Amino acid sequence: GQQVMQIPQYQHVQEGEDFTTYCNSSTTLSNIQWYKQRPGGHPVFLIQLVKSGEVKKQKRLTFQFGEAKKNSSLHITATQTTDVGTYFCAGKVYSSASKIIFGSGTRLSIRP
Amino acid sequence: NAGVTQTPKFQVLKTGQSMTLQCAQDMNHNSMYWYRQDPGMGLRLIYYSASEGTTDKGEVPNGYNVSRLNKREFSLRLESAAPSQTSVYFCASSEFGRDLNQPQHFGDGTRLSIL
Repeated sequence: GQQVMQIPQYQHVQEGEDFTTYCNSSTTLSNIQWYKQRPGGHPVFLIQLVKSGEVKKQKRLTFQFGEAKKNSSLHITATQTTDVGTYFCAGKVYSSASKIIFGSGTRLSIRP
Repeated sequence: NAGVTQTPKFQVLKTGQSMTLQCAQDMNHNSMYWYRQDPGMGLRLIYYSASEGTTDKGEVPNGYNVSRLNKREFSLRLESAAPSQTSVYFCASSEFGRDLNQPQHFGDGTRLSIL
């Protein structure tokens, strides 16, 4: 079946280190969104990428959409304790009207 | 700003009981969604309503029904609860977009346990 795989499942870093999570789809996506969920909270929209090869930045966060529109990444430079949470990608499958598929998420924890 | 409001926040049911989860949004959004989130997994779409008057199945619709009561409200019903439906349920809303491509705003979730 159609899946969106996200790796790694967990990442534990020292504050100040960089962090990257990757999202890979078995099918072409029309767009991809990224969400952050703090522990015990709800997902909060971060950004959406639509174009092949698109790169967007939000302060220390850099988002990329692959050329084939099957993969994406989120990179955080110099992590801070406020970055703690689970990061989800969510892809809209090109050929289906109803298929919004969330990755399983990457949980980021940080050592102060 | 309330955004997306879900009730109740917590619920414990016995197997076979029925229950309706309520969701309301005050952002004048056309599209609304119900997801479930299980430990270690992402969100899985149960049902969605692209606009008032329409509902469609998502990835995991079995055992659930929905009602788009009006533009603001979208409810999720479990007719006969099963332990496998123990989960955290999130409601979300968004502007209407072709191919459901608009950012979604989530409620705080309902933590549901089925014994």
